[in-house]
Amino acid sequence: AQSVAQPEDQVNVAEGNPLTVKCTYSVSGNPYLFWYVQYPNRGLQFLLKYITGDNLVKGSYGFEAEFNKSQTSFHLKKPSALVSDSALYFCAVSLYYNTDKLIFGTGTRLQVFP
Amino acid sequence: DAGVIQSPRHEVTEMGQEVTLRCKPIPGHDYLFWYRQTMMRGLELLIYFNNNVPIDDSGMPEDRFSAKMPNASFSTLKIQPSEPRDSAVYFCASSLRPGQHTGELFFGEGSRLTVL
Repeated sequence: AQSVAQPEDQVNVAEGNPLTVKCTYSVSGNPYLFWYVQYPNRGLQFLLKYITGDNLVKGSYGFEAEFNKSQTSFHLKKPSALVSDSALYFCAVSLYYNTDKLIFGTGTRLQVFP
Repeated sequence: DAGVIQSPRHEVTEMGQEVTLRCKPIPGHDYLFWYRQTMMRGLELLIYFNNNVPIDDSGMPEDRFSAKMPNASFSTLKIQPSEPRDSAVYFCASSLRPGQHTGELFFGEGSRLTVL
């Protein structure tokens, strides 16, 4: 069965430092991968996606993610964290044969300290 | 632009009562999704519709849950009777074409349900 894992419940980083939020996936076939962000008491917002092509994907708010097929990973990164980046981040995957349905990871809480 | 609109934002009810959550998708979006978010289980897909037709309801936990989409601009999620374990935040999301083609779901702000 397809699944996506976010191994860290929380990531802490100082403002100005680079950040990485990890995601690994397990699917049969080619995955379509996504990152969403959730701010307190709000719905999820789309950040970026990988469908095909360049393994490095750029998204909103300066975030990027790198698709690594051999490691089945899709880590979210940002070169310089902001306090305002503090939120809950979700990785998601959909299958090529049912691209309508997104399966979300459990989420990683990012805390950026001033 | 109007986003996905959910109501109520907060609902507190007693066990055994009927609960109805409402969603108005973004006009023109032909996919609508209901998700449930809890600390224990994370974000779970309950059901989704395409052009008002339910496509996959395999995530609906049990017969107490039902969802309808009578037209393109309105959907309901009903729980009858409600139980304390149904306490969660319920999200509605809509999309033009999810997954491969756009990958972007637009989420409402959620309905926080507390069943006492």
